[in-house]
Amino acid sequence: GQNIDQPTEMTATEGAIVQINCTYQTSGFNGLFWYQQHAGEAPTFLSYNVLDGLEEKGRFSSFLSRSKGYSYLLLKELQMKDSASYLCAVMDSNYQLIWGAGTKLIIKP
Amino acid sequence: DGGITQSPKYLFRKEGQNVTLSCEQNLNHDAMYWYRQDPGQGLRLIYYSQIVNDFQKGDIAEGYSVSREKKESFPLTVTSAQKNPTAFYLCASSILGRETGELFFGEGSRLTVL
Repeated sequence: GQNIDQPTEMTATEGAIVQINCTYQTSGFNGLFWYQQHAGEAPTFLSYNVLDGLEEKGRFSSFLSRSKGYSYLLLKELQMKDSASYLCAVMDSNYQLIWGAGTKLIIKP
Repeated sequence: DGGITQSPKYLFRKEGQNVTLSCEQNLNHDAMYWYRQDPGQGLRLIYYSQIVNDFQKGDIAEGYSVSREKKESFPLTVTSAQKNPTAFYLCASSILGRETGELFFGEGSRLTVL
């Protein structure tokens, strides 16, 4: 079966760096997405990786290794507003998005 | 401002009643989707539509129905046949078909069955 694994919850300190991991096993691969979702709100798009390597976008970076079935989202200079759930999703060979359960990130002052 | 509007934001339903959730977008997107989100689980696809007057079942379509009579609108009906309808429902759209991946979501509708 298809599976996306992420840690359920992580805690970090304001101003620090945190890395949220995502491992996947899917039928084919057509890209990996990261979304941010604040409690009770809609998810918003953060990043898309289809080739191996690091994609940087401001304080957020996303890394992909297709051979390892692994990605991470790196958040730098953490701010209180970064407290949210981070959803990893993989597009399989049928162009279907398979979603992880999300990682709840708690930022402490 | 362009975006996706879902209504109502909160909805309570008695068992045995059908309820319709509205989703309207003014982004001129071709594809629209309905997802269900439950605690501790990933988003699950209920239905999707890539063109007017056409839609496809997702992974958990049983107990749900949709229509796509206009490009801008994709309402979801939760029928009495849905055994466990209490959940957070998200509507989304994308510029082209499923291949694009980047989705724009509405604010969600939280349905509670009493």
